[in-house]
Amino acid sequence: EAQVTQNPRYLITVTGKKLTVTCSQNMNHEYMSWYRQDPGLGLRQIYYSMNVEVTDKGDVPEGYKVSRKEKRNFPLILESPSPNQTSLYFCASSLSAGRMNTEAFFGQGTRLTVV
Amino acid sequence: DAKTTQPPSMDCAEGRAANLPCNHSTISGNEYVYWYRQIHSQGPQYIIHGLKNNETNEMASLIITEDRKSSTLILPHATLRDTAVYYCIVRGYGGSQGNLIFGKGTKLSVKP
Repeated sequence: EAQVTQNPRYLITVTGKKLTVTCSQNMNHEYMSWYRQDPGLGLRQIYYSMNVEVTDKGDVPEGYKVSRKEKRNFPLILESPSPNQTSLYFCASSLSAGRMNTEAFFGQGTRLTVV
Repeated sequence: DAKTTQPPSMDCAEGRAANLPCNHSTISGNEYVYWYRQIHSQGPQYIIHGLKNNETNEMASLIITEDRKSSTLILPHATLRDTAVYYCIVRGYGGSQGNLIFGKGTKLSVKP
């Protein structure tokens, strides 16, 4: 089954404690991205990756890092989380951002609370 | 910023057609119109996309005006499970133009 898998689904952590949210897709997609969703602000893109070793900032990259060492994985790293990063996070993948007819698949979401 | 304008909310009676409008007056010739929906706090789900011709799949129909400045997503027989936020997105291709930029969407409430 084609899917995007995020882990963990829920996480409560403390300010400053480094954490990683993993994202994995099994569709051999080139393009992957991360979004955060906050009430009243909607879905905002954090980072995206066009392919292995190619990443770029989205609209709200501050406080986040990503890496794309292999095609299937695109982890989101918060090196020093702060309460304003409390949010619902989604990972997405699609075949390619360079082609027109490509639908995006989204993970189930990770609800992060930073206290 | 999102390139589309949608009404913030709409209601629809169960079993009736839901027609969700979207304005995208600045769309350029190589940009597609995509529709996604998000049920509660689940990940967004792809519905349909089109360039200039009308499109239909098992979920919905997409009607794009001839000047491509607006479109309508049609759910032919809405059910309670179609209650969701529906996003209309204009998407190009190549580099950052291929990114999906979400606006506020339309919250569709299907009522018994």
